[in-house]
Amino acid sequence: DAKTTQPNSMESNEEEPVHLPCNHSTISGTDYIHWYRQLPSQGPEYVIHGLTSNVNNRMASLAIAEDRKSSTLILHRATLRDAAVYYCIDGGNTPLVFGKGTRLSVIA
Amino acid sequence: DVKVTQSSRYLVKRTGEKVFLECVQDMDHENMFWYRQDPGLGLRLIYFSYDVKMKEKGDIPEGYSVSREKKERFSLILESASTNQTSMYLCASSPTLFSSTDTQYFGPGTRLTVL
Repeated sequence: DAKTTQPNSMESNEEEPVHLPCNHSTISGTDYIHWYRQLPSQGPEYVIHGLTSNVNNRMASLAIAEDRKSSTLILHRATLRDAAVYYCIDGGNTPLVFGKGTRLSVIA
Repeated sequence: DVKVTQSSRYLVKRTGEKVFLECVQDMDHENMFWYRQDPGLGLRLIYFSYDVKMKEKGDIPEGYSVSREKKERFSLILESASTNQTSMYLCASSPTLFSSTDTQYFGPGTRLTVL
């Protein structure tokens, strides 16, 4: 089982911020949260991962709740190229277990 | 950049044929994986390997076998292809399996159709 819960789909307008939520209430204290995304007709690609603190990289930001039961992937300005399925993964399972993710649509 | 390549983007085979899907990674990763992806079912792990000549079954190994004779290459074999094996097949590699910080790098996928 994926052990994370995400909405099936979300929609955003282009150039607006997007907040993709994920619940992971059973994650252990030492396991990382990972986010991947899958663009149409491509394999998944790594986006970001974190443990407790908020994390930033060139692709996105990851905000992790203080109790670590949830996190939010933040795309600061959505573009049409960000339309993809986004997977939130509990790093306690290795190999990683991919759930069904959130399908993000970006409207021009 | 890590590169994972798969031998074909599209493949059409007939029922009963033996099918080989090849995957090569260029980052000296210890670990390699084969997944299949079907609409509504997400990615499901078929087999993985954490070393040359080592293999472990994933969640759905039935009907498949694998081979890892060299570190950079991991092959998925369908001994006798069936129509229910029509799917997208994704290969991945990673440096640090069994660590919570492990990151997987995926190939572009092979869309296999079995007629």
